[in-house]
Amino acid sequence: DTGVSQDPRHKITKRGQNVTFRCDPISEHNRLYWYRQTLGQGPEFLTYFQNEAQLEKSRLLSDRFSAERPKGSFSTLEIQRTEQGDSAMYLCASSLALRGREQYFGPGTRLTVT
Amino acid sequence: TQLLEQSPQFLSIQEGENLTVYCNSSSVFSSLQWYRQEPGEGPVLLVTVVTGGEVKKLKRLTFQFGDARKDSSLHITAAQPGDTGLYLCAKPNFGNEKLTFGTGTRLTIIP
Repeated sequence: DTGVSQDPRHKITKRGQNVTFRCDPISEHNRLYWYRQTLGQGPEFLTYFQNEAQLEKSRLLSDRFSAERPKGSFSTLEIQRTEQGDSAMYLCASSLALRGREQYFGPGTRLTVT
Repeated sequence: TQLLEQSPQFLSIQEGENLTVYCNSSSVFSSLQWYRQEPGEGPVLLVTVVTGGEVKKLKRLTFQFGDARKDSSLHITAAQPGDTGLYLCAKPNFGNEKLTFGTGTRLTIIP
Protein backbone atom coordinates (compact mmCIF):
# COMPACT_ATOMS: atom_id res chain seq x y z
CA ASP A 1 0.00 0.00 0.00
CA THR A 2 1.71 3.14 -1.23
CA GLY A 3 -0.86 5.61 0.04
CA VAL A 4 -2.53 8.40 -1.90
CA SER A 5 -0.32 10.08 -4.46
CA GLN A 6 -0.80 13.37 -6.28
CA ASP A 7 0.92 14.79 -9.31
CA PRO A 8 2.38 17.32 -9.75
CA ARG A 9 3.38 18.42 -6.27
CA HIS A 10 3.83 22.00 -7.40
CA LYS A 11 2.47 23.90 -10.37
CA ILE A 12 3.13 27.50 -11.34
CA THR A 13 1.00 28.84 -14.14
CA LYS A 14 0.07 32.16 -15.66
CA ARG A 15 -3.41 33.57 -15.30
CA GLY A 16 -5.70 32.32 -18.01
CA GLN A 17 -3.92 29.00 -18.56
CA ASN A 18 -5.54 25.61 -17.95
CA VAL A 19 -4.09 23.16 -15.45
CA THR A 20 -4.82 19.52 -14.64
CA PHE A 21 -3.96 17.63 -11.48
CA ARG A 22 -3.99 13.90 -10.93
CA CYS A 23 -4.79 11.85 -7.83
CA ASP A 24 -4.13 8.14 -7.41
CA PRO A 25 -6.05 6.80 -4.40
CA ILE A 26 -5.31 3.75 -2.30
CA SER A 27 -6.18 0.89 -4.61
CA GLU A 28 -9.15 -0.67 -2.81
CA HIS A 29 -10.77 2.65 -1.86
CA ASN A 30 -13.98 3.38 -3.72
CA ARG A 31 -14.47 6.94 -2.45
CA LEU A 32 -12.28 9.83 -3.58
CA TYR A 33 -12.53 13.41 -2.33
CA TRP A 34 -11.02 16.70 -3.49
CA TYR A 35 -10.42 19.58 -1.08
CA ARG A 36 -8.85 23.02 -1.46
CA GLN A 37 -6.75 24.66 1.22
CA THR A 38 -5.68 28.29 1.15
CA LEU A 39 -2.90 29.66 3.29
CA GLY A 40 -3.75 29.73 6.98
CA GLN A 41 -7.07 27.94 6.56
CA GLY A 42 -8.39 24.43 6.94
CA PRO A 43 -9.21 22.40 3.82
CA GLU A 44 -12.59 23.02 2.15
CA PHE A 45 -14.57 20.29 0.40
CA LEU A 46 -14.82 20.57 -3.39
CA THR A 47 -16.28 17.30 -4.67
CA TYR A 48 -16.34 13.56 -4.18
CA PHE A 49 -16.72 10.36 -6.16
CA GLN A 50 -17.99 6.94 -5.27
CA ASN A 51 -16.43 4.65 -7.84
CA GLU A 52 -16.76 6.58 -11.11
CA ALA A 53 -19.84 8.57 -10.12
CA GLN A 54 -19.43 12.18 -9.01
CA LEU A 55 -22.01 12.41 -6.22
CA GLU A 56 -21.61 15.93 -4.86
CA LYS A 57 -20.03 19.22 -5.88
CA SER A 58 -19.49 22.21 -3.61
CA ARG A 59 -20.57 25.70 -4.61
CA LEU A 60 -16.84 26.47 -4.49
CA LEU A 61 -16.49 24.43 -7.65
CA SER A 62 -17.23 27.04 -10.32
CA ASP A 63 -17.88 26.11 -13.94
CA ARG A 64 -14.16 26.55 -14.62
CA PHE A 65 -13.49 23.46 -12.51
CA SER A 66 -14.15 19.92 -13.64
CA ALA A 67 -13.29 16.62 -12.02
CA GLU A 68 -13.41 13.12 -13.41
CA ARG A 69 -12.81 9.60 -12.25
CA PRO A 70 -13.37 7.67 -15.47
CA LYS A 71 -12.63 4.12 -14.35
CA GLY A 72 -13.24 4.49 -10.65
CA SER A 73 -9.53 4.53 -9.93
CA PHE A 74 -7.45 7.69 -10.45
CA SER A 75 -9.08 11.11 -10.67
CA THR A 76 -8.22 14.35 -12.41
CA LEU A 77 -9.13 17.91 -11.46
CA GLU A 78 -8.95 20.48 -14.23
CA ILE A 79 -9.10 24.23 -13.80
CA GLN A 80 -9.72 26.25 -16.94
CA ARG A 81 -8.78 29.90 -17.39
CA THR A 82 -7.00 30.04 -14.05
CA GLU A 83 -7.31 33.12 -11.85
CA GLN A 84 -5.04 34.33 -9.08
CA GLY A 85 -7.71 33.38 -6.57
CA ASP A 86 -7.26 29.74 -7.60
CA SER A 87 -3.85 29.71 -5.94
CA ALA A 88 -4.10 27.11 -3.18
CA MET A 89 -3.15 23.61 -2.12
CA TYR A 90 -5.40 21.02 -3.77
CA LEU A 91 -5.73 17.91 -1.62
CA CYS A 92 -7.07 14.53 -2.59
CA ALA A 93 -8.26 11.92 -0.10
CA SER A 94 -9.62 8.40 -0.44
CA SER A 95 -11.56 6.03 1.77
CA LEU A 96 -13.81 3.01 1.79
CA ALA A 97 -17.51 3.82 1.49
CA LEU A 98 -18.34 2.69 5.00
CA ARG A 99 -19.54 4.83 7.88
CA GLY A 100 -16.70 6.08 10.00
CA ARG A 101 -13.95 4.94 7.68
CA GLU A 102 -10.87 7.15 7.76
CA GLN A 103 -9.96 9.38 4.84
CA TYR A 104 -6.32 9.15 3.81
CA PHE A 105 -4.92 12.32 2.31
CA GLY A 106 -2.34 12.75 -0.39
CA PRO A 107 0.49 15.30 -0.12
CA GLY A 108 -1.39 17.82 -2.23
CA THR A 109 -0.65 19.88 -5.32
CA ARG A 110 0.31 23.46 -4.62
CA LEU A 111 -0.92 25.74 -7.39
CA THR A 112 0.45 29.24 -7.84
CA VAL A 113 -1.22 31.45 -10.44
CA THR A 114 0.86 34.46 -11.44
CA THR B 1 -22.43 25.83 6.62
CA GLN B 2 -21.55 24.66 10.09
CA LEU B 3 -18.52 26.55 11.31
CA LEU B 4 -15.83 25.04 13.48
CA GLU B 5 -13.82 27.66 15.30
CA GLN B 6 -10.42 26.77 16.63
CA SER B 7 -8.38 28.68 19.18
CA PRO B 8 -5.81 29.91 19.46
CA GLN B 9 -5.01 30.49 15.81
CA PHE B 10 -1.27 30.49 16.54
CA LEU B 11 0.65 29.10 19.51
CA SER B 12 4.38 29.13 20.08
CA ILE B 13 5.77 27.57 23.26
CA GLN B 14 9.00 26.16 24.64
CA GLU B 15 9.81 22.47 24.53
CA GLY B 16 8.60 20.71 27.65
CA GLU B 17 5.61 22.96 28.30
CA ASN B 18 1.99 21.85 28.26
CA LEU B 19 -0.69 23.30 26.00
CA THR B 20 -4.36 23.02 25.14
CA VAL B 21 -6.11 23.94 21.89
CA TYR B 22 -9.83 24.13 21.35
CA CYS B 23 -12.47 23.43 18.73
CA ASN B 24 -15.94 24.94 19.16
CA SER B 25 -19.23 25.02 17.32
CA SER B 26 -22.77 26.18 17.97
CA SER B 27 -24.13 22.86 16.67
CA VAL B 28 -24.02 19.31 17.99
CA PHE B 29 -21.68 16.83 16.31
CA SER B 30 -22.28 13.13 15.84
CA SER B 31 -18.50 12.75 15.86
CA LEU B 32 -15.37 14.87 15.65
CA GLN B 33 -11.93 14.18 14.28
CA TRP B 34 -8.54 15.75 14.99
CA TYR B 35 -5.81 15.92 12.34
CA ARG B 36 -2.22 17.12 12.26
CA GLN B 37 -0.79 18.57 9.08
CA GLU B 38 2.89 19.19 8.50
CA PRO B 39 4.15 21.70 5.91
CA GLY B 40 3.85 20.39 2.37
CA GLU B 41 1.84 17.34 3.39
CA GLY B 42 -1.80 16.36 3.70
CA PRO B 43 -3.59 16.08 7.06
CA VAL B 44 -3.14 12.87 9.05
CA LEU B 45 -5.91 11.60 11.31
CA LEU B 46 -5.00 11.51 15.00
CA VAL B 47 -8.29 10.49 16.63
CA THR B 48 -12.07 10.29 16.27
CA VAL B 49 -14.31 11.06 19.25
CA VAL B 50 -17.94 10.00 19.24
CA THR B 51 -19.46 10.01 22.73
CA GLY B 52 -20.13 13.14 24.78
CA GLY B 53 -17.55 13.41 27.56
CA GLU B 54 -15.25 10.92 25.85
CA VAL B 55 -11.52 11.17 26.57
CA LYS B 56 -8.94 9.51 24.34
CA LYS B 57 -5.20 9.43 24.85
CA LEU B 58 -2.50 9.06 22.23
CA LYS B 59 0.85 9.05 24.03
CA ARG B 60 1.29 12.67 25.23
CA LEU B 61 -1.88 13.87 23.48
CA THR B 62 -5.24 13.86 25.29
CA PHE B 63 -8.44 14.52 23.35
CA GLN B 64 -11.73 15.36 25.02
CA PHE B 65 -15.20 15.62 23.52
CA GLY B 66 -17.53 17.99 25.35
CA ASP B 67 -20.51 16.57 27.22
CA ALA B 68 -22.91 18.36 24.86
CA ARG B 69 -20.87 17.29 21.80
CA LYS B 70 -20.42 20.90 20.68
CA ASP B 71 -16.77 21.33 21.54
CA SER B 72 -13.52 19.45 21.86
CA SER B 73 -10.04 20.03 23.20
CA LEU B 74 -6.58 18.68 22.55
CA HIS B 75 -4.05 18.78 25.39
CA ILE B 76 -0.37 18.08 24.79
CA THR B 77 1.86 17.28 27.73
CA ALA B 78 5.60 18.04 27.64
CA ALA B 79 5.53 19.34 24.08
CA GLN B 80 8.35 18.32 21.75
CA PRO B 81 9.60 19.92 18.51
CA GLY B 82 8.07 16.99 16.61
CA ASP B 83 4.63 18.19 17.72
CA THR B 84 5.02 21.28 15.53
CA GLY B 85 2.32 21.48 12.87
CA LEU B 86 -1.18 22.62 11.98
CA TYR B 87 -3.82 20.98 14.17
CA LEU B 88 -7.24 20.73 12.56
CA CYS B 89 -10.55 19.55 13.92
CA ALA B 90 -13.10 18.23 11.44
CA LYS B 91 -16.68 17.06 11.37
CA PRO B 92 -17.56 14.10 9.11
CA ASN B 93 -20.85 14.56 7.28
CA PHE B 94 -23.32 11.75 7.87
CA GLY B 95 -23.72 9.65 4.74
CA ASN B 96 -20.95 10.78 2.44
CA GLU B 97 -18.35 11.38 5.15
CA LYS B 98 -17.11 14.59 3.55
CA LEU B 99 -15.19 16.61 6.09
CA THR B 100 -15.85 20.14 7.32
CA PHE B 101 -12.63 21.43 8.81
CA GLY B 102 -12.01 24.05 11.44
CA THR B 103 -9.79 27.06 10.95
CA GLY B 104 -6.79 25.31 12.50
CA THR B 105 -4.22 26.03 15.21
CA ARG B 106 -0.65 26.46 14.02
CA LEU B 107 1.60 25.13 16.78
CA THR B 108 5.33 25.79 16.99
CA ILE B 109 7.45 24.12 19.65
CA ILE B 110 10.72 25.91 20.26
CA PRO B 111 13.65 23.64 21.20
